[in-house]
Amino acid sequence: EADIYQTPRYLVIGTGKKITLECSQTMGHDKMYWYQQDPGMELHLIHYSYGVNSTEKGDLSSESTVSRIRTEHFPLTLESARPSHTSQYLCASSASGSNQPQHFGDGTRLSIL
Amino acid sequence: SQQGEEDPQALSIQEGENATMNCSYKTSINNLQWYRQNSGRGLVHLILIRSNEREKHSGRLRVTLDTSKKSSSLLITASRAADTASYFCATATYSGGSNYKLTFGKGTLLTVNP
Repeated sequence: EADIYQTPRYLVIGTGKKITLECSQTMGHDKMYWYQQDPGMELHLIHYSYGVNSTEKGDLSSESTVSRIRTEHFPLTLESARPSHTSQYLCASSASGSNQPQHFGDGTRLSIL
Repeated sequence: SQQGEEDPQALSIQEGENATMNCSYKTSINNLQWYRQNSGRGLVHLILIRSNEREKHSGRLRVTLDTSKKSSSLLITASRAADTASYFCATATYSGGSNYKLTFGKGTLLTVNP
């Protein structure tokens, strides 16, 4: 298994709270990604980063924000959680190059009450 | 629009049988990847096949790629109960600079019965 870690694994929290989902990798990968996945559905890219101080929005519009201050760390923040944010959030990283696989964490399952 | 679509959506077989899953896509790709996802876990990379390759093997896995038909198949031979998982294909397309974007399909849920 790859060395990429997400915390917390599960989070149940009330509407309006600010939350931060943590993602760290120890592989020295430049590229990191956040995906959103509803049960039984495909992954949708919501944010990505190609290096420190580089962040971009993905294909699926999201109210979350990300930061990349260190290579190994790519946290995702929701300023004011809403029930519509309930989903699973998966973090991934990859090395640079054209034929590189992505390595995934085990995800954070987020439930907003 | 969705790039990769897996077929079937669900597949149930007996242990020891072979399982075949298919993936179709719409645009030119750099490579195609297959991933496995166990329930409640992240995705695990299984195999990557480049656009100039036609077949690739890894253990009990065999992947084919037909770029003229824009399709790929994943064959798992001699399946085991532990192979029970969702399987996703993902297509890598060039997105500028030295970067490539992965687009995932909806997956095939494989159940292997003991």
